[in-house]
Formats: sequence, structure tokens, C-alpha cells
Amino acid sequence: GAGVSQTPSNKVTEKGKYVELRCDPISGHTALYWYRQSLGQGPEFLIYFQGTGAADDSGLPNDRFFAVRPEGSVSTLKIQRTERGDSAVYLCASSFGGRDTEAFFGQGTRLTVV
Amino acid sequence: AQTVTQSQPEMSVQEAETVTLSCTYDTSENNYYLFWYKQPPSRQMILVIRQEAYKQQNATENRFSVNFQKAAKSFSLKISDSQLGDTAMYFCAFMKPGYALNFGKGTSLLVTP
Repeated sequence: GAGVSQTPSNKVTEKGKYVELRCDPISGHTALYWYRQSLGQGPEFLIYFQGTGAADDSGLPNDRFFAVRPEGSVSTLKIQRTERGDSAVYLCASSFGGRDTEAFFGQGTRLTVV
Repeated sequence: AQTVTQSQPEMSVQEAETVTLSCTYDTSENNYYLFWYKQPPSRQMILVIRQEAYKQQNATENRFSVNFQKAAKSFSLKISDSQLGDTAMYFCAFMKPGYALNFGKGTSLLVTP
């Protein structure tokens, strides 16, 4: 596609439920990033993929959060046993990686845990 | 770890005027990149301008320019001839090559008629 696509745009879920957020990066981009943006804050890094592997997952807050990118393209962020504090906008970005450092962002998924 | 500080939570400027947004950062690295991103209500982060630390010349993109002071670890954004469409959140970000972006908390800019 022309840009980074994230689905769904909005997601409301009940506390304790499991959710999956999807990111479709720009075709050919090998690097993919997930960020979480709480209200009134800047995006916080969660995880970075280079190809299929997680190159850096140091930003994942706890073991309820997990992300995969099995074929080196689409990525899914998975949150188990959601808590109200997980409510935020989840942003995905992709780039060519290497020396070309510009990251292109999607419009995010607004997750609300009630 | 690198920290990025934006000391102005909110700024306001009149249309056609010039405004400067501040950003400071803390790092022990010598090779890195700095960015300003714009986030309108649509939520999509849009790259405004970027600066490579090894370049002494300040980056410029049309009405947007930066004042990069490496020794002072300062990276301010100047918007000239402000337009109503410039109203948005602006985030300063730092990046080591091969690593993810590290963002500040943002500055909300309002351009008034």
C-alpha cells in the first residue's frame, strides 16, 4: 500500500480480555516499530523488528504484551488480560532501516479498556 | 539512556508570525539523528525535518528550520510565516543509528487568525 496501515482504528474492550492490533508496513520496509502513546504524552517505544526477528523488545512493559512479524511484513501486537492502564493510542511505523532513517507512521489504533 | 525534553507544553502564535519550539536532549553518543515530527488531530505522525549530528549546517525545509547546537545539546524548531494548518502537536525525537526513535512529551502549537 501507499502508507502504513493500522487496523482497527479504534478498539474498545473489557478489562481482562485479549486484543490484537495489526500493522501493515510500507512494502519493502524491513524495519517495523511499535509505540504506545498515552494521553498528553509522546510516543513510548515498545518493540522494534528487523525482518522477522525482534531486534529490540526492551520497551514492552510486561509479559502481557507480545508482538510477532512471522513473514517480515505484517505485524501483530497482542495484549493479554488487558487492564485499564493499557488504554492508549498504539502507533506503528516502518522504515527501510540501515542508513535510511526516516520512519513512516500509521494513524494508530486507539485502544480503550473499560 | 537518552532523554528528550520539551519545556513548552503549549505555544500560541498568530498567523504569518514566527514561532520557535525548544528541545534539549541528553546523550553520550557522538553519532545520532534528531527529528521534529508533527501530529495533527488525525494522529498520524508526520516528519517535519531531520538533522544528522555530524552535519554542522542547520537543516531547512521550506518554512521550517532548526537551530542545532551540538555542544549545548539543543535542537529548536523555527516555523516562519505560520499557517493555520500548522496547528498540531510537535514532537522532538532522538535516534541512535539502528535504534528506535526516542520522543519528548511534545508541544501543542496553536496558530490563531
